[in-house]
Amino acid sequence: SQQGEEDPQALSIQEGENATMNCSYKTSINNLQWYRQNSGRGLVHLILIRSNEREKHSGRLRVTLDTSKKSSSLLITASRAADTASYFCATDGIGSRLTFGEGTQLTVNP
Amino acid sequence: NAGVMQNPRHLVRRRGQEARLRCSPMKGHSHVYWYRQLPEEGLKFMVYLQKENIIDESGMPKERFSAEFPKEGPSILRIQQVVRGDSAAYFCASSVWPQGGVYNEQFFGPGTRLTVL
Repeated sequence: SQQGEEDPQALSIQEGENATMNCSYKTSINNLQWYRQNSGRGLVHLILIRSNEREKHSGRLRVTLDTSKKSSSLLITASRAADTASYFCATDGIGSRLTFGEGTQLTVNP
Repeated sequence: NAGVMQNPRHLVRRRGQEARLRCSPMKGHSHVYWYRQLPEEGLKFMVYLQKENIIDESGMPKERFSAEFPKEGPSILRIQQVVRGDSAAYFCASSVWPQGGVYNEQFFGPGTRLTVL
């Protein structure tokens, strides 16, 4: 598996439900970030969590980080059809580059 | 305050031609990163540049690919003699001084989608 691997690869839920996506990584990190990408578009930065933080909130987003397990989760509460997108985690422990996972494709059905 | 600009947004080339992708970082940002995204995959790091310097090119293919970030003007990713496998979305990101890697928010451009026929 690669650094920053997300699961599930695809997730389909109904509007109003919560969506949880997970990310695992292999090496030490400074920060972990979550990005969103709509089909055929660029990346939008959602939230950054530092290696010394365990949980962070931003609106309907909640991110957790467990450095002992080298994993993170992104929770989107009360999902909307407009949340349909691909979600990527990215770590920045190797110099200044970001290492991305393969992404979770989230579909929120109205 | 304009974000990261990339052009062209879409580029079609025939095998053997050259592709030039441009990236203008956000105002005040002197660090530029190029990433490649193949269909249905995540982004893969290619190269990290500061003005007039290549800092890390460990993700760049050894042949046909080059990048520059001159003192004036945009950063350029150049692909010579393109092949079908080069078809991908190429994203540029910029940041301010990373401060030793403690905090490194990178702002992404909309990408250039390269299609090689």
